[in-house]
Formats: sequence, structure tokens, C-alpha cells
Amino acid sequence: AQTVTQSQPEMSVQEAETVTLSCTYDTSESNYYLFWYKQPPSRQMILVIRQEAYKQQNATENRFSVNFQKAAKSFSLKISDSQLGDTAMYFCALHHPSNQAGTALIFGKGTTLSVSS
Amino acid sequence: GAVVSQHPSRVICKSGTSVKIECRSLDFQATTMFWYRQFPKQSLMLMATSNEGSKATYEQGVEKDKFLINHASLTLSTLTVTSAHPEDSSFYICSANTRWGVPYEQYFGPGTRLTVT
Repeated sequence: AQTVTQSQPEMSVQEAETVTLSCTYDTSESNYYLFWYKQPPSRQMILVIRQEAYKQQNATENRFSVNFQKAAKSFSLKISDSQLGDTAMYFCALHHPSNQAGTALIFGKGTTLSVSS
Repeated sequence: GAVVSQHPSRVICKSGTSVKIECRSLDFQATTMFWYRQFPKQSLMLMATSNEGSKATYEQGVEKDKFLINHASLTLSTLTVTSAHPEDSSFYICSANTRWGVPYEQYFGPGTRLTVT
């Protein structure tokens, strides 16, 4: 069974500091994608960053970067220079592509991040 | 591009009545749509997957007679909560992807808050 585990229910950080959110996953597939989604108080899901499993290079999007350790099945998110607007719930998600119908994302339980001034 | 809308954004209904939630892809053809349920400060729980023109596939534990899902066109899926009860009060989110796009890309609607009194 495919699973995604986020072991940090809540985290807090000061503005301008760096924070790392942890995620581990389990899958027997060789072809998959990993994502971090952000859900702010508005509850709109926002894609933060994605990583293709076949790529060794860690994905980066501005202040957001990942540490993808394929052998360890670990996929952590680093947020640099934290901003108040980063306050949100963050979900790690796993996706197995299918040639047929679309397949759903498998979500972790989420980490609530609070950024304070 | 790739916008998904949901209507209504919030709805209050009386116990025993039915309520319909619409999910529309505004600028692409959604071959697959997903319906999630989310309780406060919890993760998204997949309820069902619907492919255009086919019956929805429900996750274990989700009552298909209570949560009716119709995906009649490539731009519209509906979730009808029949004979709603207070325990059905929740936040419902739809997402969509398209066979003709990037297979892992999912586009989320803004969600619908259902309150059953």
C-alpha cells in the first residue's frame, strides 16, 4: 500500500528564518511524483513544488526547496526566509501516473505551520 | 489557465434535505474529477473518483447512495448529499485533471462548506 507520513502536526517559525517540514512515503512503484501543497486559511489548495522520482536533482521554487532522498523515501520541504503569508497547513502528496484514467493523490496528514513576526 | 470552480462556496441545509455541489473546469476538459472531504485541521479524504461518462468509483466506507456523484460532461461533475444529517457537515473539495495534459497535474476547486442543521 502507498502511504505518506508527516510526523510533525504543528511547527512554528519566526519571520525570515528557515524551517524544514518532514515527509516520508512508501511505494513499490518506480514511476511516481511527489508534491507539497499549501492550504492557507482560505482553504484553497495551492501547489508549492513538485518532484519527479526519476530526477535526482532536488526541485526548487524561489524560497521553497526539497530534499529528495529516494532510497530513504524521504521528501522534506525547506522554506527559506519565512514570511507571514507562509502560515498555512502543508500537505505532502504522492501520485502514481496511470495511462488510463486519472489517479488520485495520496496525502499525508498535514503540518500546520505558523509564522510569527 | 486550469481553473476549477465550485458552487456554492457555502451552503446551509436542514437535516433530511438534499444538497447539490457543482464542480466545473472552466478552461480545460476534465476527464477525471476527484471529490474529497476535509474536517477541520485534518487532511483531505478521498471520497470518489469519477471519469467522464462512467460511474464513479467510491472509496471504501463512502456510501454511494448517500453521496451521489455524476460526471456527465467534460466540464462538470456534481456531488449530491442525499438526506443530509449534521454529521455530513464538512468541507468538500473537488479536483480535476485531464487525459490530454500533464498526467500528474491536478487542479483544485476552492471548496464548499456544508453545514447541516
